[in-house]
Amino acid sequence: GENVEQHPSTLSVQEGDSAVIKCTYSDSASNYFPWYKQELGKRPQLIIDIRSNVGEKKDQRIAVTLNKTAKHFSLHITETQPEDSAVYFCAASLSNFGNEKLTFGTGTRLTIIP
Amino acid sequence: DVKVTQSSRYLVKRTGEKVFLECVQDMDHENMFWYRQDPGLGLRLIYFSYDVKMKEKGDIPEGYSVSREKKERFSLILESASTNQTSMYLCASSLGRWDEQYFGPGTRLTVT
Repeated sequence: GENVEQHPSTLSVQEGDSAVIKCTYSDSASNYFPWYKQELGKRPQLIIDIRSNVGEKKDQRIAVTLNKTAKHFSLHITETQPEDSAVYFCAASLSNFGNEKLTFGTGTRLTIIP
Repeated sequence: DVKVTQSSRYLVKRTGEKVFLECVQDMDHENMFWYRQDPGLGLRLIYFSYDVKMKEKGDIPEGYSVSREKKERFSLILESASTNQTSMYLCASSLGRWDEQYFGPGTRLTVT
């Protein structure tokens, strides 16, 4: 099955600086890569996703890049703000019929230092 | 606005008890999922369902079963609770297989 590794497990960044979280996946057939954000005591929520037919996607201060050859994808947050403090999970999924499920990484706890 | 609710926020059960965790979504979503969340292990898929009365094993199904008799309701069953099933359990639903998953608030289960 799919295996997703996520690094780092914790990350502290000065407010206003950029943060980068990296994930690698094992199954080259995976083609859907969402990122979820979980604030303290709250449920995970989707913040951005990318499909394998594109290499990069942006949404305001958040971007995701995908390198299919190397089987890794990254979340980039620019101009970080205190409300960006949360745990971030990457995930990967196959689209083969009958085997469509998300495999999540182990999470990155991001702390924004004011 | 999608709403996914879970029957309990906190639950304490004894070893060997049968435990039912219920999840209800109100947006007519086809797909429903049960995860457990443990520190350092992320979200791990227990079971999922793409249709009524249909179920598929996730990555860690051992010790669990599920039931989906109605489209809006997906139940997770621990036949005989054990201490290693102490965890946060999250339910989720999605409209299509590659659509956003909407999570419930979670049930923190403690098995003593």
